[in-house]
Amino acid sequence: GNSVTQMEGPVTLSEEAFLTINCTYTATGYPSLFWYVQYPGEGLQLLLKATKADDKGSNKGFEATYRKETTSFHLEKGSVQVSDSAVYFCALTPYAAGGTSYGKLTFGQGTILTVHP
Amino acid sequence: KAGVTQTPRYLIKTRGQQVTLSCSPISGHRSVSWYQQTPGQGLQFLFEYFSETQRNKGNFPGRFSGRQFSNSRSEMNVSTLELGDSALYLCASSLSSGGTWELFFGEGSRLTVL
Repeated sequence: GNSVTQMEGPVTLSEEAFLTINCTYTATGYPSLFWYVQYPGEGLQLLLKATKADDKGSNKGFEATYRKETTSFHLEKGSVQVSDSAVYFCALTPYAAGGTSYGKLTFGQGTILTVHP
Repeated sequence: KAGVTQTPRYLIKTRGQQVTLSCSPISGHRSVSWYQQTPGQGLQFLFEYFSETQRNKGNFPGRFSGRQFSNSRSEMNVSTLELGDSALYLCASSLSSGGTWELFFGEGSRLTVL
């Protein structure tokens, strides 16, 4: 079956530090890959996505590249801010929506990021 | 464009009671999915509805049920509540246009079972 593994947290950084959160996946075919962010007391917001190998998703200074050869989708940001403190989830869906994939994202366990001034 | 709206945001119930949660999707979105989020199990898929039909279901007991109305609004119900049902219940909507799924989540309904 499909699965997503994220680096264990929590991650604590100082403001302006470089961020990497590792994500690897197991899936058949060519899944679509996502990073979602959850701020305290809120639901999930889509941060970025990539739908095919070597695609780079980017948003708000965050980037992630779909690496088929290493089955990875690591999240990076060059300079984090205090406002980036949140929980980050890596997720995937199979390429073709249908059957047991309708509406179903497979999530990693989440990585808590805390950024100090 | 209004986002996904979930009500109520917070509620407290006691064991054995039942609860109904409501979700209004983004206008034009016909697919609604429900997820349970707990510290121990993370995010788990409950079910998905499209055009008033359940198309997909996760591994939850029959106490968890849902439905979708003709205007795409959805409700989920949990009967005979257990302490372990305490969680954040998230609703997400999608255009369901096939290929890549992009889910838009609401802020959730936080259920506490005492």
